[in-house]
Amino acid sequence: QKEVEQDPGPLSVPEGAIVSLNCTYSNSAFQYFMWYRQYSRKGPELLMYTYSSGNKEDGRFTAQVDKSSKYISLFIRDSQPSDSATYLCAMSADAGGTSYGKLTFGQGTILTVHP
Amino acid sequence: ETGVTQSPTHLIKTRGQQVTLRCSSQSGHNTVSWYQQALGQGPQFIFQYYREEENGRGNFPPRFSGLQFPNYSSELNVNALELDDSALYLCASSRSEGLNTQYFGPGTRLTVL
Repeated sequence: QKEVEQDPGPLSVPEGAIVSLNCTYSNSAFQYFMWYRQYSRKGPELLMYTYSSGNKEDGRFTAQVDKSSKYISLFIRDSQPSDSATYLCAMSADAGGTSYGKLTFGQGTILTVHP
Repeated sequence: ETGVTQSPTHLIKTRGQQVTLRCSSQSGHNTVSWYQQALGQGPQFIFQYYREEENGRGNFPPRFSGLQFPNYSSELNVNALELDDSALYLCASSRSEGLNTQYFGPGTRLTVL
């Protein structure tokens, strides 16, 4: 079993839809949770960064972490065609943990937003 | 602020050859991490360099090695290339006090024939 599981999709939605992307994980040492966006043939771009449980909002993006369920989500409101990309979740342990600073990624979810 | 840069963009090698990939970290960053991303997969951690020393390694064989230079740039070397080494190799830089905030370069696409 992989440490981080992410539904690869693909996910296709109309412009303006609310998109929900999710990851589950098995390593209880994970404390840092990131979402990256990767356009085709580009490197991943850091979108959201959260520590421990809770919500974080940045513009149209909201990240949620539920450590009790080992489940994280990224919501995109009013989705745009320019949001079409692969979305990767990533996780890491706290300072002092063996995986601190070594990101463990999900497989990525391919999202297409059509006009 | 200069972002992370990598060279070359693309590379084609044959099985058994050796390859060197290069990375320049973002301005102000002193730590470099390397990841391998196979087609359709998420990046996998190879190793990390801080103060010119390896600071952690993922599940990759010793034929994957690296260097970090005083200016914080880095190299990834792969010996005895195998077909399965074909992938996008990503470099990410960060500050030592915030290792989990990593910024990625565009990657080097390696094809092994």
